[in-house]
Amino acid sequence: DQQVKQNSPSLSVQEGRISILNCDYTNSMFDYFLWYKKYPAEGPTFLISISSIKDKNEDGRFTVFLNKSAKHLSLHIVPSQPGDSAVYFCAASRSGNQFYFGTGTSLTVIP
Amino acid sequence: DSGVTQTPKHLITATGQRVTLRCSPRSGDLSVYWYQQSLDQGLQFLIQYYNGEERAKGNILERFSAQQFPDLHSELNLSSLELGDSALYFCASGREGQPQHFGDGTRLSIL
Repeated sequence: DQQVKQNSPSLSVQEGRISILNCDYTNSMFDYFLWYKKYPAEGPTFLISISSIKDKNEDGRFTVFLNKSAKHLSLHIVPSQPGDSAVYFCAASRSGNQFYFGTGTSLTVIP
Repeated sequence: DSGVTQTPKHLITATGQRVTLRCSPRSGDLSVYWYQQSLDQGLQFLIQYYNGEERAKGNILERFSAQQFPDLHSELNLSSLELGDSALYFCASGREGQPQHFGDGTRLSIL
């Protein structure tokens, strides 16, 4: 049973525009959410997180939004750069213990 | 560099064989997590160890086992290998309530 879902396997965006990656979860007990970025032949690297007490967290060009009522998480990248081209995974956990990952969205930023 | 080291990077073996994957966590991290990523799949959580003790179990097959040693490194043992076990195996380490940090994975190919 997939508790975290990323329904878009891929996304293409022009350089300089906004990239929006989406994630849905089913377990209302999840209280900690993360985004990871993965380049080929490397492990995932942590990008940004948000706890359920917030609805927005920003770090430079990256902003994560959390809509608890809709059980929906999104990552906004503004402006998008070619180096942002990677696979993005969202993950969710209850109290920071076992993490559940989505299947990933492959982002391509076109120069 | 995440500080998490996984060896070997690649492993090629045959059905029915047994292999051991090794992970050295980041300095100071007491938790080690193992994940499996099959083609086009997300990261499937296998098992977590915390300071030498099993903390959480996910979708780990009975043919698979893991342990964490006193120096905190961990090994994942896969036995009676089947073609479907071909995948990327990631190790991550972390501290409670903090993002996990991933190694670059071991690519296991079963012929």
